[in-house]
Amino acid sequence: DAKTTQPPSMDCAEGRAANLPCNHSTISGNEYVYWYRQIHSQGPQYIIHGLKNNETNEMASLIITEDRKSSTLILPHATLRDTAVYYCIVRVANMAAGNKLTFGGGTRVLVKP
Amino acid sequence: DGGITQSPKYLFRKEGQNVTLSCEQNLNHDAMYWYRQDPGQGLRLIYYSQIVNDFQKGDIAEGYSVSREKKESFPLTVTSAQKNPTAFYLCASRGGTGTYSNEQFFGPGTRLTVL
Repeated sequence: DAKTTQPPSMDCAEGRAANLPCNHSTISGNEYVYWYRQIHSQGPQYIIHGLKNNETNEMASLIITEDRKSSTLILPHATLRDTAVYYCIVRVANMAAGNKLTFGGGTRVLVKP
Repeated sequence: DGGITQSPKYLFRKEGQNVTLSCEQNLNHDAMYWYRQDPGQGLRLIYYSQIVNDFQKGDIAEGYSVSREKKESFPLTVTSAQKNPTAFYLCASRGGTGTYSNEQFFGPGTRLTVL
């Protein structure tokens, strides 16, 4: 699976949009971009995923560049409850590999009032 | 409610003792996973199972063992051979068996402390 690079931390003002970048320059054509977040001392929570088109759901939007070498997770109106570590994961849909997730260090997001 | 349960939330054991962490899911998911997380680090895969009576080693399987006798249960045993067992342990499950399958759902985790 391709490696991802994320900033270790970022702050965001409550009510503003939070834009979380992720670089995955070695991504291959059959690899998806997944985003999870982990609130302190809890299990990770799935947010969104995509292949090449931009995606939006009730939690966030995912913008993937045309060359697919980077992506941005957008939390449109950050709340204090969005404070968490956000993981960007690139994963091949390979049943032989068990669709494993490889977690890096993530971005620690602190939403401030 | 459907979901994944792990118990207990906090577990203390003496050094040299084996300990088994439970993971149960009622989501009817085929695949289940065990991860370990150390302070300030990401998750690392210990073992995973794609179907009953079958499981594979992950990246850090040494010192751990698992079983998958039932679809809904995937217990993890931390043996005395594990050098640094104190960590936060997370169980996950995934639904579907197709190539482009669904996301993984995580349990609340068990924090194991070996004294």
